[in-house]
Amino acid sequence: QSALTQPASVSGSPGQSITISCTGTSSDVGGYNYVSWFQQHPDRAPKLMIYDVSNRPSGVSSRFSGSKSGNTASLTISGLQAEDEADYYCSSYTSSFTLLFGGGTKLTVL
Amino acid sequence: QAQLVQSGPEVKRPGASVRVSCKASGYIFLNYGISWVRQAPGQGLEWMGWISAYDRKTNYAQKFQGRVTMTTDTSTSTAYLELRSLTSDDTAVYYCARGAVSPPLDPWGQGTLVTVPS
Repeated sequence: QSALTQPASVSGSPGQSITISCTGTSSDVGGYNYVSWFQQHPDRAPKLMIYDVSNRPSGVSSRFSGSKSGNTASLTISGLQAEDEADYYCSSYTSSFTLLFGGGTKLTVL
Repeated sequence: QAQLVQSGPEVKRPGASVRVSCKASGYIFLNYGISWVRQAPGQGLEWMGWISAYDRKTNYAQKFQGRVTMTTDTSTSTAYLELRSLTSDDTAVYYCARGAVSPPLDPWGQGTLVTVPS
């Protein structure tokens, strides 16, 4: 099973908004509302930022939001801050009863 | 709050097996499953499989079928990952995480580096 498709890198200036896409198929992203997003700082464990497409766990800033259209899910970060610089991964449940990750996106805050 | 603490780093010879532990605290262990995810150096995340702490049912990624075993010990609220026939391609940080799909992967353990020299 191939990884979900994410851009390798995105960048933005402090205060701006950025969006990271996560493209799959009708057998994963498009077929289920079980898309999650994770933030990973260097040498740290991943942290859940969004689950079930658009839900935020308690404690996660409202600057983070998620959405989905067809086979593509998106993570939007508004009001970019220096601390948002990290790698971001999407994941989706699949029709094979497995979990599939995206290849990851490196966010640079200019 | 929920917390997962993993065992320390391992260095293994090719062909050997490794066992990584993941001790849970701060929640009712039986109510959640545990997933295992690995990350090779400089690479992305790879889901390896999941085990139910309630009935010990497992769901392994096809890539690891026949080479991986996930178990739990409810008396100590600990989950274990065993990976056999190691090669240098198995060099990675191995993470445990509570949940899988619903509930999602949260929280995560701190990770365990497994090194298999080539």
